[in-house]
Amino acid sequence: SYELIQPPSVSLSPGQTVNISCYGDSLGDNFASWYQQKPGKSPVLVIYQDTKRPSGIPERFSGSTSGNTATLTIRETQAMDEADYFCQAWDHNRAVFGSGTQVTVL
Amino acid sequence: QVQLVQSGTDMKRPGASVKVSCRASRDTFNNYYIHWVRQAPGQGLEWIGIINPSGGATSFQQNFQGRVSLTRDTSTSTVYMDLSGLMSDDTAVYYCARSRFSNDAFDIWGQGTMVIVSS
Repeated sequence: SYELIQPPSVSLSPGQTVNISCYGDSLGDNFASWYQQKPGKSPVLVIYQDTKRPSGIPERFSGSTSGNTATLTIRETQAMDEADYFCQAWDHNRAVFGSGTQVTVL
Repeated sequence: QVQLVQSGTDMKRPGASVKVSCRASRDTFNNYYIHWVRQAPGQGLEWIGIINPSGGATSFQQNFQGRVSLTRDTSTSTVYMDLSGLMSDDTAVYYCARSRFSNDAFDIWGQGTMVIVSS
């Protein structure tokens, strides 16, 4: 079955930049989306169609893609950015999620 | 304005069925697709299926084929997910979420419904 592979966790200090990768065999042929989820809350869309940012999402969130890897970048990370981040793509009309990356802001 | 409002926590015995509701705004019901996604405790997100509220067409993740049903009530702009043959592994938070097109990002999510399967 199709998989999206993410690093399980990353830690950084406030003000630093974090890059979260998401690898999938056919990700280069499909758009990637990214979701932020804080404990006990519903996921929130932060990036769609690889690079687009929904209204209300801070500019420090950005997305990019290279080959079969999508990347979520958070610049000038703040304490409020501490959360789980999931990538997502479509494969044969089936939504697939990455296993998630826990971002800890120390 | 809250777009997707789900029913509350439910507890079921193994082997039973559960029905979770997701009430949408009229605009969402008429112009978006509704998906169901679940998240077991401490785990990731798992897509279950999709319904087009306008016409009622559905599609499911193969893992759930034969065990899940998605329906809608056009008079109340509500979508329902029925999951049968519950097992302890089905204990999870179930979310409804909308997308503008069928293979699109999920831009709005419901608040989630906890389903607990326990004997």
